[in-house]
Amino acid sequence: DAGVTQSPTHLIKTRGQQVTLRCSPKSGHDTVSWYQQALGQGPQFIFQYYEEEERQRGNFPDRFSGHQFPNYSSELNVNALLLGDSALYLCASSLWGSSNQPQHFGDGTRLSIL
Amino acid sequence: RKEVEQDPGPFNVPEGATVAFNCTYSNSASQSFFWYRQDCRKEPKLLMSVYSSGNEDGRFTAQLNRASQYISLLIRDSKLSDSATYLCVVRDTGRRALTFGSGTRLQVQP
Repeated sequence: DAGVTQSPTHLIKTRGQQVTLRCSPKSGHDTVSWYQQALGQGPQFIFQYYEEEERQRGNFPDRFSGHQFPNYSSELNVNALLLGDSALYLCASSLWGSSNQPQHFGDGTRLSIL
Repeated sequence: RKEVEQDPGPFNVPEGATVAFNCTYSNSASQSFFWYRQDCRKEPKLLMSVYSSGNEDGRFTAQLNRASQYISLLIRDSKLSDSATYLCVVRDTGRRALTFGSGTRLQVQP
């Protein structure tokens, strides 16, 4: 039973570039949430996708966008990268109908902006 | 004011010690509560959910005080393998996103 998988593991970009991160949810899960974790901080919620629509969004600019595919996998896109976007990006999956259950996280993608 | 506040630590304790972490949350509408554990450069992993009546899982005990908007985690008989950052996590009524504290770092020493 595969857990949440994310790719790539690490990524190095320069300011102004664009990046796409990918996530496959845990088998049986239909909801994907994305979080950004800066060094020394807790994860911060970016947005959540269910049925291929963005259902909820945190306090992040429009440079952060996403997509969910019919197979429930998801992408996070960040445009016009800034130095401050350097962080661990975490994907979490859950079941929409079980909102009180905890979310399960993937290993994350470590993004470094030079 | 942060929505979820934790003492960042670090807490340096000897093996076998008992250690307690505290957390406060600002939104009285918060509905679900969790403690996650995060090892260095790894993803957060669920340690335990926190229930209103308090709950225990082996050496770990979680307590919730809704009136004071306060959550605690007690670790008894600390092991070297307990060294990690402990994240207090809250989910508000009507929202599905998790709100994390900044974490409390624990270092258990031999």
